[in-house]
Amino acid sequence: GAGVSQTPSNKVTEKGKYVELRCDPISGHTALYWYRQSLGQGPEFLIYFQGTGAADDSGLPNDRFFAVRPEGSVSTLKIQRTERGDSAVYLCASSSRGGREAVNEQFFGPGTRLTVL
Amino acid sequence: GENVEQHPSTLSVQEGDSAVIKCTYSDSASNYFPWYKQELGKGPQLIIDIRSNVGEKKDQRIAVTLNKTAKHFSLHITETQPEDSAVYFCAASMVPMNTGFQKLVFGTGTRLLVSP
Repeated sequence: GAGVSQTPSNKVTEKGKYVELRCDPISGHTALYWYRQSLGQGPEFLIYFQGTGAADDSGLPNDRFFAVRPEGSVSTLKIQRTERGDSAVYLCASSSRGGREAVNEQFFGPGTRLTVL
Repeated sequence: GENVEQHPSTLSVQEGDSAVIKCTYSDSASNYFPWYKQELGKGPQLIIDIRSNVGEKKDQRIAVTLNKTAKHFSLHITETQPEDSAVYFCAASMVPMNTGFQKLVFGTGTRLLVSP
């Protein structure tokens, strides 16, 4: 079956530009997560959606980062005025909603490699 | 907040040997500890996880142990094969009941190389 897909796979932009990164979760998954993975590091939590709402955005580094999920499916991560330090792989993951005492697996996409020149 | 440390950063073994990767965490409220395998150019894939009410869990050649008192957990891979070569990440999270929300905090990863 189809997994989590992310587009584009690679994005090269210039400092100061605006970028959008797209995530298509597994069909029916209500939970969606964005992570950022710098070279040689583990993924770092950015934001979590349950349905259409951002339930926890405490990992967004500053107000240049914003994410939406208007219909509870596809999500877009938006970065304004990009900086060289934003260069990383941006990962998206989705899971079905956990029931009582259930912890449902996060399925990760392949990521978008963002390079800010 | 939670902090997860992972060791070693690289691990080289011969095919058939065992491999052990260790992690420590700081937040005693964490109750969920997954392990992920990441191959080059791909996203992490869950290979095994353990809840805080369990001390050990095994799935074929892979096992995870958890010591809540010492706040550390370990991944054990037996009879390693070349296809086990990848980067492995541990993670920790406090998962509230009824939500399943996992704000995972990852370790820095272990690059495992299994030589034929």
